[in-house]
Amino acid sequence: QVQLVQSGAEVKKPGASVKVSCQASGYSFTGYYVHWVRQAPGQGLEWMGWINPNSGGTNYAQKFEGWVTMTRDTSINTAYLEVSRLKSDDTAVYYCAREEVGSSSFGAADIWGQGTMVTVSS
Amino acid sequence: QSALTQPRSVSGSPGQSVTISCTGTSSDVGGYNYVSWFQQHPGKAPKLMIYDVTKRPSGVPDRFSGFKSGNTASLTISGLQAEDEADYYCCSHAGSYTLVFGTGTQVTVL
Repeated sequence: QVQLVQSGAEVKKPGASVKVSCQASGYSFTGYYVHWVRQAPGQGLEWMGWINPNSGGTNYAQKFEGWVTMTRDTSINTAYLEVSRLKSDDTAVYYCAREEVGSSSFGAADIWGQGTMVTVSS
Repeated sequence: QSALTQPRSVSGSPGQSVTISCTGTSSDVGGYNYVSWFQQHPGKAPKLMIYDVTKRPSGVPDRFSGFKSGNTASLTISGLQAEDEADYYCCSHAGSYTLVFGTGTQVTVL
């Protein structure tokens, strides 16, 4: 079955980094972008960027340039999101979601991971 | 990139129709036919309901429909059902293959 399974919850101190994983199964990993979206407690969705697992190419929202890194390991069908220099307002659920590469659409993320809660607290 | 503007909440009785607006600019909603809508139940991941303004993924009931005019997109839920009670987010291409989400709308079934 097609699914994205994310790593477990994390608790980090301000200034630290966190790396969240998103493992794909049931489809061709390299055929779909992986978007990363976060949601602070009680707040809306915020798009962070995407990675093309085939090429490794990335596209980040301007807000996250320089402190967020998206990578992938095609040998284990896994995408990663690393957020550095964490602050308390980075506390959020982080989601990965897939979208077909080369389709005529954009923004049609049809399969989502279950989310990873990252808590930043001293 | 500023979030797209949605009403904070809308409500309707079972069987009625509700419409959620999503207002952006000519740099996002108005500039591309790449508007999607997501449904999110509490504690759950978002679910794609509409993409490319009007298209429904397989399995999404035809009670859900999308439309766009100028810088404003809308989602209409016809024949409202109890399970439609959720948060809804619009999302648009914002240029250079970036995305921007709306502020979100809580739909309440009375």
